[in-house]
Amino acid sequence: KAGVTQTPRYLIKTRGQQVTLSCSPISGHRSVSWYQQTPGQGLQFLFEYFSETQRNKGNFPGRFSGRQFSNSRSEMNVSTLELGDSALYLCASSLAEGAREQYFGPGTRLTVT
Amino acid sequence: AQSVTQLGSHVSVSEGALVLLRCNYSSSVPPYLFWYVQYPNQGLQLLLKYTSAATLVKGINGFEAEFKKSETSFHLTKPSAHMSDAAEYFCAVSSGTYKYIFGTGTRLKVLA
Repeated sequence: KAGVTQTPRYLIKTRGQQVTLSCSPISGHRSVSWYQQTPGQGLQFLFEYFSETQRNKGNFPGRFSGRQFSNSRSEMNVSTLELGDSALYLCASSLAEGAREQYFGPGTRLTVT
Repeated sequence: AQSVTQLGSHVSVSEGALVLLRCNYSSSVPPYLFWYVQYPNQGLQLLLKYTSAATLVKGINGFEAEFKKSETSFHLTKPSAHMSDAAEYFCAVSSGTYKYIFGTGTRLKVLA
């Protein structure tokens, strides 16, 4: 069974631009969570989607948004990029909402210049 | 509120020596606890998980962890370190709201 896939793997953007990252969960998994990883702040929870609905949200500004499609694939969008948004963005999938075990993708490395 | 504390951001051990990575948690309800490993430029791989069954949990690659409620700890151990164990290790807790809270990570260096 294929694992969690994330595209693109690497991205370079300029301040003020917006970016969309994509995540395809493991087949059969219906819950997708997003995390931001930086050297200074570590791993921080962004949001969780299940059945195309946002179920949980972390403490991030409204510039960070996401959605989930009927096939469970998810996208996250960051608008008006700031230098501090440079990070590794990780997607994790789990079988269902509330399922404790998460499986992570390889991440998307975003660099904002 | 839940939280995780990993003592030691960097740990060095000799090849063949015992690996001990420390994790203490705080949770108002019975927690689920996890250890993940991250290799450079990769995502997180689940090593093992505690879900209120046996307190001694065995994971992949020879790692194990013991849940000690009285000490609110979930330390990760491996009897004999291998060069391939060099990576960053994260402890995580999940309870109540189902969100994961991660520790700050411990970077393990294995010396030849």
